[in-house]
Amino acid sequence: DGGITQSPKYLFRKEGQNVTLSCEQNLNHDAMYWYRQDPGQGLRLIYYSQIVNDFQKGDIAEGYSVSREKKESFPLTVTSAQKNPTAFYLCASSKGTGGTGELFFGEGSRLTVL
Amino acid sequence: GESVGLHLPTLSVQEGDNSIINCAYSNSASDYFIWYKQESGKGPQFIIDIRSNMDKRQGQRVTVLLNKTVKHLSLQIAATQPGDSAVYFCAENSGGSYIPTFGRGTSLIVHP
Repeated sequence: DGGITQSPKYLFRKEGQNVTLSCEQNLNHDAMYWYRQDPGQGLRLIYYSQIVNDFQKGDIAEGYSVSREKKESFPLTVTSAQKNPTAFYLCASSKGTGGTGELFFGEGSRLTVL
Repeated sequence: GESVGLHLPTLSVQEGDNSIINCAYSNSASDYFIWYKQESGKGPQFIIDIRSNMDKRQGQRVTVLLNKTVKHLSLQIAATQPGDSAVYFCAENSGGSYIPTFGRGTSLIVHP
């Protein structure tokens, strides 16, 4: 079935460590996104990418990095520079420009910093 | 700045009742709106959408109403079921942008 796969679902990290969250889609979507969700909060945009080898910062990009080497993949690295990384991370994709604007989400990755 | 917000963070209803979840938006250029449902520990899923040239759109047990005069969007769920318990987000796009703006979310709790 087509969809978005995020891994791992749960991840624990020690302070000072970088971690990378995986996001893969087989929907042939051009655009991909990373959101952060804190308890009782909405979705905040970290990074987004409309095309391979190009990406833009969202509202809260500090302490995060991404790459878009393949259309299907958009991994997110949470670096040690992110001061409060414990959160639920959601990856999404859409058709991008010319699409309806509907986002398709993965099941999320919950990161806990010990 | 422009924002999308929700009036009520939590809504509790009895099974079988109708539910109404509200959303206020401030960007007058918004022309496309989506409601998403997020179950606990999962990613949001599309429920229904509406374009600004419409006032109302109906789906299966759900209806979205758009009042552009007061910049208000609502999601109505008929005969609410326990499986409807989730957080509901409204999102808006404007000018063909593929970057939606999400509201804070409303938690719907359905009591059997």
